[in-house]
Amino acid sequence: KNQVEQSPQSLIILEGKNCTLQCNYTVSPFSNLRWYKQDTGRGPVSLTIMTFSENTKSNGRYTATLDADTKQSSLHITASQLSDSASYICVVSASNAGGTSYGKLTFGQGTILTVHP
Amino acid sequence: DGGITQSPKYLFRKEGQNVTLSCEQNLNHDAMYWYRQDPGQGLRLIYYSQIVNDFQKGDIAEGYSVSREKKESFPLTVTSAQKNPTAFYLCASSPFSGGAGGANVLTFGAGSRLTVL
Repeated sequence: KNQVEQSPQSLIILEGKNCTLQCNYTVSPFSNLRWYKQDTGRGPVSLTIMTFSENTKSNGRYTATLDADTKQSSLHITASQLSDSASYICVVSASNAGGTSYGKLTFGQGTILTVHP
Repeated sequence: DGGITQSPKYLFRKEGQNVTLSCEQNLNHDAMYWYRQDPGQGLRLIYYSQIVNDFQKGDIAEGYSVSREKKESFPLTVTSAQKNPTAFYLCASSPFSGGAGGANVLTFGAGSRLTVL
């Protein structure tokens, strides 16, 4: 069964500090991994997407890493801001044979990040 | 601005009633999706559509129905057969759901929160 597990479930940090969120997956065959940010009561917004051949990708203060061998990804947030308070969701896509049908997405349960002043 | 519009934002339903959640996109995306989000769980796929007048069941389709009469619109009906409908519902779209692993990034709407009284 394809699964995506995120840790920690929740995290509280002070403004200006760095933090790292973890994502472990057992999705196969692997196609790509995405990180989304979801503000409370809103829809998720894409931060990064990485394929098998990519091991790091940045989007401003967000840097995602991918180790396809150990099936782990991390999202590092640098110099956190109050607006970073949100849920961060790891999503892994599985390939389909033939490549023409819907790519199955498996969502993690999210890590709730709270940034305090 | 291009995007996805979901309405209503909040909806209350009495037991035994059917309710319909609206989802409209002006991104010219081919594929549209409905997800359900419950606290502490990853998003779960209800239905998806790759083309007008065609749609497929996701992982939790029981008690739900959809239609795709126009490319821009993908309404979701929560029927009385859905025993636990209280949840946050997210509509999403992507340019094309085919291709290896569905590598297109999803664009999400702001969500609709349904509460059963």
